[in-house]
Amino acid sequence: DAGITQSPRYKITETGRQVTLMCHQTWSHSYMFWYRQDLGHGLRLIYYSAAADITDKGEVPDGYVVSRSKTENFPLTLESATRSQTSVYFCASLWGNEQFFGPGTRLTVL
Amino acid sequence: AQSVTQPDIHITVSEGASLELRCNYSYGATPYLFWYVQSPGQGLQLLLKYFSGDTLVQGIKGFEAEFKRSQSSFNLRKPSVHWSDAAEYFCAVGAMEYGNKLVFGAGTILRVKS
Repeated sequence: DAGITQSPRYKITETGRQVTLMCHQTWSHSYMFWYRQDLGHGLRLIYYSAAADITDKGEVPDGYVVSRSKTENFPLTLESATRSQTSVYFCASLWGNEQFFGPGTRLTVL
Repeated sequence: AQSVTQPDIHITVSEGASLELRCNYSYGATPYLFWYVQSPGQGLQLLLKYFSGDTLVQGIKGFEAEFKRSQSSFNLRKPSVHWSDAAEYFCAVGAMEYGNKLVFGAGTILRVKS
């Protein structure tokens, strides 16, 4: 399917575990983004990438790691999950001046 | 620092009534402006966007928004609300100068009374 996909859609994990959220786009867009959505905060930028092998921090990067070895993939890793990272995570890619969002991953850290 | 303020956390309107959701921004560059809608448990759907030109923009589902540079505002309007419009609405701002990263408001939850 064309577009932007995220996996898994739902994930429950425990404190201290490593978790990787996947993001895949079929358009070959250069820019990709990771946001987290929390009640009362809207969406906040975690990391973004301007191209393969180019990444940079956003507003709330602590506790997260990203990589981008291929243009189409932009995985987000929680190295040691904490309860405060319970959230809904959205991936997006940029075409022109507009971002296109994936369906989101709901992550619960127990 | 860039910021977006949506002053109303919750709004309740009667079906058929008009709607205005407020959005104010503070941004150090010429902004691009967006409104997104999110139904419970769903992803984000783009309602409309402003890049340049005519300051009154039309979107999907009968929504419109007006960019007022002097007031740093981008308020969303709809003349007659339908029950299916009940959702959460987010205003967002970006700019090429900042790598097109989006800054979002906290959202406004719209409830529609029948």
